[in-house]
Amino acid sequence: GDSVTQMEGPVTLSEEAFLTINCTYTATGYPSLFWYVQYPGEGLQLLLKATKADDKGSNKGFEATYRKETTSFHLEKGSVQVSDSAVYFCALRRGGGGKLIFGQGTELSVKP
Amino acid sequence: GAVVSQHPSWVICKSGTSVKIECRSLDFQATTMFWYRQFPKQSLMLMATSNEGSKATYEQGVEKDKFLINHASLTLSTLTVTSAHPEDSSFYICSARDSTSGSTDTQYFGPGTRLTVL
Repeated sequence: GDSVTQMEGPVTLSEEAFLTINCTYTATGYPSLFWYVQYPGEGLQLLLKATKADDKGSNKGFEATYRKETTSFHLEKGSVQVSDSAVYFCALRRGGGGKLIFGQGTELSVKP
Repeated sequence: GAVVSQHPSWVICKSGTSVKIECRSLDFQATTMFWYRQFPKQSLMLMATSNEGSKATYEQGVEKDKFLINHASLTLSTLTVTSAHPEDSSFYICSARDSTSGSTDTQYFGPGTRLTVL
C-alpha cells in the first residue's frame, strides 16, 4: 500500500542554519505531495504542496521539489528561525478523495 | 483563516465508559470531515471519513461499533469511543474539508484531543 517515510527526529539546529528534512514515498501512479506543520498546541497547517513531478512547492522560505525518479519530497529552508520550531509532517494523497497518508512527523527545534 | 475546533482538548475516563469528542468547523461548512488517531512519535492514521447526512466510511481494521461517528450538520462531527479501554488512549485529530472551496486540498485540522483511559 501507499506509505510515507520521514527522517527521524528530533532535529536540533541553531538559528540561521540550513534545514533539510527527508521524505520518501511509496505509491502507485502520481500522488500529490504535501508538507504540513504543527506548532505547539495548534492543529496541522498546510505548509506547501506539489501535484506533479518536478513541481516545486514553496511557502515562508520553505521549499520542496517533487522528484518522481527518487520518489522523494525533501523539505528545505536556507535559514531557520526559532519560530520554525514545530513538528513537520510529509503526506501524500492519491486521487481527489482528500484521504491523506502521513509520515511519522519530524520534530524540529531551533535554538537562538 | 478557517478554524476547526475540538472539544474537549483532553479527557481522562475510567475503563468501560464512553467518551464523545466534538469537531467543529467555525467559519465554513464541511460536508466531509476526517478522524485520525496518532500514537506517540508516530504518524496520523486515518480512522474514518465522515460525510454529512450519511454513514461514515471506516478504514480497514477500525471497529465501527467502537468508534461511532455522527456528522449531523455541516459544521459538526462527533466521535464517540464506546466502552473505552486503556489501549484506546491516544491523540485523536479531526480535519474538515471546506465545501465551498474548489480544491480538495483545502483541509483544515483541529488541535486534537488527548484521551487517557485508566
